[in-house]
Amino acid sequence: DAKTTQPTSMDCAEGRAANLPCNHSTISGNEYVYWYRQIHSQGPQYIIHGLKNNETNEMASLIITEDRKSSTLILPHATLRDTAVYYCIVRPGGTYKYIFGTGTRLKVLA
Amino acid sequence: EAQVTQNPRYLITVTGKKLTVTCSQNMNHEYMSWYRQDPGLGLRQIYYSMNVEVTDKGDVPEGYKVSRKEKRNFPLILESPSPNQTSLYFCASSEQVRFRGTEAFFGQGTRLTVV
Repeated sequence: DAKTTQPTSMDCAEGRAANLPCNHSTISGNEYVYWYRQIHSQGPQYIIHGLKNNETNEMASLIITEDRKSSTLILPHATLRDTAVYYCIVRPGGTYKYIFGTGTRLKVLA
Repeated sequence: EAQVTQNPRYLITVTGKKLTVTCSQNMNHEYMSWYRQDPGLGLRQIYYSMNVEVTDKGDVPEGYKVSRKEKRNFPLILESPSPNQTSLYFCASSEQVRFRGTEAFFGQGTRLTVV
């Protein structure tokens, strides 16, 4: 079973920041938080991952709470092309299997 | 360009007719895996491979075979397909790195229909 809890769906206005929450209250010390997204039925696309510290790359920012029990993915300026299902996954470092839950269906509105 | 390539993208076949879905990656990754995606069930791992000649079952291996004779290729074999194997299939690859996170690259998917 997936070890994360995400809202089923969210809407976001184009140009605004999209903040996607994820709860992972049973996360272990060696488990990373990963975010992927899937646009239509394409292959999942890696967005970002982190262990303890907040992370930022060209696509998004990942904010992890100090107790590591939850995190937020931030798309700073959402566009229509960001409409997708977003998956939050926890996985131990050095392992390679992903357990995908049902994700959050983000709809960016014009 | 780093990529995972699956073929075919779409396939309709009949029950019992053996088929192979190919997967190739150009990143020299050690780890490769296959997932299937079904409505309401998310992505589930079928088989994985840690390196050449090293394969193991995932969560839903029944009815599937794999092989890893070369590092870049990881074909998925359905020796006697059945309608319950109608699904969307994804191949993925990643570096094998101990004790730290690493991203996975997914192929574009193969939509298989077994009639």
